[in-house]
Amino acid sequence: GAVVSQHPSWVICKSGTSVKIECRSLDFQATTMFWYRQFPKQSLMLMATSNEGSKATYEQGVEKDKFLINHASLTLSTLTVTSAHPEDSSFYICSASSQFFSGANVLTFGAGSRLTVL
Amino acid sequence: AQKITQTQPGMFVQEKEAVTLDCTYDTSDQSYGLFWYKQPSSGEMIFLIYQGSYDEQNATEGRYSLNFQKARKSANLVISASQLGDSAMYFCAMREVYNQGGKLIFGQGTELSVKP
Repeated sequence: GAVVSQHPSWVICKSGTSVKIECRSLDFQATTMFWYRQFPKQSLMLMATSNEGSKATYEQGVEKDKFLINHASLTLSTLTVTSAHPEDSSFYICSASSQFFSGANVLTFGAGSRLTVL
Repeated sequence: AQKITQTQPGMFVQEKEAVTLDCTYDTSDQSYGLFWYKQPSSGEMIFLIYQGSYDEQNATEGRYSLNFQKARKSANLVISASQLGDSAMYFCAMREVYNQGGKLIFGQGTELSVKP
């Protein structure tokens, strides 16, 4: 089945530094990738939608200059948290889709990345 | 705008019994998909079951079934014969075909605890 690899699974960084999280589709071409953020005991909140070769579409309230998303190829999307602060500490999870819509089996999630900013 | 509501923050069920997790949704799109995911403490999102808006029969996957009532806009998850390993967060989600760019929107989640 479709596999999405997300790396790193966890990262600790100092306040003010930038952190990059990668999301790779291993055995399919991901035309669309979604980035979510999840705080403890809360739901997944969609941050942005990225389509290969074009600019990401950010959800309302998400700072595009802080959360840089790049989808340069059909198998890789990256989320960079710039100038991270403790309030950015969260669980970030990506999801990849091979086509616009054709049922459940084309939306695959990565295992998530837990970011802690000291 | 699409909206997913799960009104049960936490649920308890005795091992081997069945449990129903509630989910209601709101959408103006005629074509959409409804999903249930399980999230254990490890954080991974495990796909459980899918129901398309045009599917006439309720979806079933092993011990999971989806009670789809389109007129009421509800998509409840039924877990039969609960197991200790079913203890986790459960999320209902919806994806519209033509609106919202196909993105998946989640409900608030229900934390299920299975008692031995």
